[in-house]
Amino acid sequence: GEDVEQSLFLSVREGDSSVINCTYTDSSSTYLYWYKQEPGAGLQLLTYIFSNMDMKQDQRLTVLLNKKDKHLSLRIADTQTGDSAIYFCAESRGGYNKLIFGAGTRLAVHP
Amino acid sequence: GAVVSQHPSRVICKSGTSVKIECRSLDFQATTMFWYRQFPKQSLMLMATSNEGSKATYEQGVEKDKFLINHASLTLSTLTVTSAHPEDSSFYICSARLWTGQGFSDTQYFGPGTRLTVL
Repeated sequence: GEDVEQSLFLSVREGDSSVINCTYTDSSSTYLYWYKQEPGAGLQLLTYIFSNMDMKQDQRLTVLLNKKDKHLSLRIADTQTGDSAIYFCAESRGGYNKLIFGAGTRLAVHP
Repeated sequence: GAVVSQHPSRVICKSGTSVKIECRSLDFQATTMFWYRQFPKQSLMLMATSNEGSKATYEQGVEKDKFLINHASLTLSTLTVTSAHPEDSSFYICSARLWTGQGFSDTQYFGPGTRLTVL
């Protein structure tokens, strides 16, 4: 997963927006994904973006994609304590669309 | 919709024994499933790609004789850790690919994971 890079930690105040950044390497990736993992659990698909899109919004989540810079971001509006988790970005590769994950960003939300 | 289950959720075994982990897609058919391994506070490492009716494709460095994968149906893939040793202790997570071949949708849904501890 070292080809996909993320900052490891982000701390925000409840009610503020969170922005988690990710850089990837494979310019031919068709899809890019954001997953959420809570302690001891599997991964929950949050959202994904097709490579020919620049932005995708889904309720409190906004994904921005800059293909030129291979940069992906996830913005969480009105961050809540329940958003505290590890967030993984992933790029797809190959015919079976296997996923290559970043190291994950631990989001801590404090009052 | 798009629920993936894993069984067991947690297993403790003695060194030298084999352990089988099941991954099921409950409400969709998955031609392709994936097996990952996750060490504490680390990312997911793809171990292998499992395709229904054919041999699994293993990532570089993953021993195919050690980690046996069988994908006998469109809703079930199994991972067997053979002759387990303490260094095999990890969190194993499977995913199932949901892809209709149409539109802009190709996603993986993950199981809840299996914690394997080898004594």
